Amino acid sequence: GQQVMQIPQYQHVQEGEDFTTYCNSSTTLSNIQWYKQRPGGHPVFLIQLVKSGEVKKQKRLTFQFGEAKKNSSLHITATQTTDVGTYFCAGKGAQKLVFGQGTRLTINP
Amino acid sequence: DTEVTQTPKHLVMGMTNKKSLKCEQHMGHRAMYWYKQKAKKPPELMFVYSYEKLSINESVPSRFSPECPNSSLLNLHLHALQPEDSALYLCASSQEEVEIEAFFGQGTRLTVV
Repeated sequence: GQQVMQIPQYQHVQEGEDFTTYCNSSTTLSNIQWYKQRPGGHPVFLIQLVKSGEVKKQKRLTFQFGEAKKNSSLHITATQTTDVGTYFCAGKGAQKLVFGQGTRLTINP
Repeated sequence: DTEVTQTPKHLVMGMTNKKSLKCEQHMGHRAMYWYKQKAKKPPELMFVYSYEKLSINESVPSRFSPECPNSSLLNLHLHALQPEDSALYLCASSQEEVEIEAFFGQGTRLTVV
């Protein structure tokens, strides 16, 4: 079945450093979504990417969708303490949305 | 109103109990979902309802029984659960089935004793 792998599992950075998490799907995706879950909270939608090679920016966050529509990345520039949480990618294949394992980001102020 | 409301927020139940989790949204979304999330793990899809009909059942044990009384409400009936069923149960909705963003509720933290 469809699998979505996400790395790294954990990332600890100093405030102000950059952060990147990567997703890789075993199958071609129709779209990929990114969610953020704060500790003790619920997943909150960040963005959806649909087109091959698409790049979208939200302030310090940059999202990319690979040319083959099988991988994606989220890059945060100059992290802030408010960026703490777990970032999940979720890939839409033929039928359902499959979540990656998530990358837990912690930040040293 | 862009909220998905889940009740109760916390639930402790015995293995012989019957309880129900409730989810409500008033965004006019036609797809609703139940997810189960264990600590430090991603949400796992359990059920999808599309236009009030069960669209996907991810081989969930029959002790979990979903119900969609109308387009705004989604229930999850629980019976004879096991301790390993303890988890955060998340409800979500989207305009159509997994085509665009899903709005998640706060979840019900379930403990089975």
